[in-house]
Amino acid sequence: AQSVTQPDIHITVSEGASLELRCNYSYGATPYLFWYVQSPGQGLQLLLKYFSGDTLVQGIKGFEAEFKRSQSSFNLRKPSVHWSDAAEYFCAVGALGQGGKLIFGQGTELSVKP
Amino acid sequence: GAGVSQTPSNKVTEKGKYVELRCDPISGHTALYWYRQSLGQGPEFLIYFQGTGAADDSGLPNDRFFAVRPEGSVSTLKIQRTERGDSAVYLCASSPSGGGTEAFFGQGTRLTVV
Repeated sequence: AQSVTQPDIHITVSEGASLELRCNYSYGATPYLFWYVQSPGQGLQLLLKYFSGDTLVQGIKGFEAEFKRSQSSFNLRKPSVHWSDAAEYFCAVGALGQGGKLIFGQGTELSVKP
Repeated sequence: GAGVSQTPSNKVTEKGKYVELRCDPISGHTALYWYRQSLGQGPEFLIYFQGTGAADDSGLPNDRFFAVRPEGSVSTLKIQRTERGDSAVYLCASSPSGGGTEAFFGQGTRLTVV
């Protein structure tokens, strides 16, 4: 069955510290992978996406993610977190032939300490 | 419009009533998606339209849920005989063509069934 797992429900980091949010997927086809961010009362905003090619992808707001096929992972990273990064982060997977339908993880809530 | 617009932003209805939720996608986007997000969960796929036709409705939970997109633009999600378990945020997204292209999300309609 297709699934996305985000093992960490809630993470707290200090402002300026580095961040890594984990995402593992189970998908039969070659996956397309996405990270979205959702702030309270806001819609989902795309941070970055991987379709093919270079496995290290750069996104907006200083985020990056690395696709590791052997580990079925697509972890999100940021070298220095800002207070404004506090939000809910969702990993999602889709595939060619699925029409853009996405399977989402349950999300990781990020809190940032001053 | 500039983004995906969903109306109403909030809807409170009584158990057993019928509701309609509207989505106005980005102009020119042929693909339209509905997702449901329950509290503390990631979005869950409901249905995908390509143009006027439902290309994938495998996520609709039961026959109380129905969606239309008669002119290939605005879509309406219809829920009959609402139940308290239908309470959630209903998200709409659109993309230029489906497949591997980015989906842009609206801010959602929060449905509360009392």
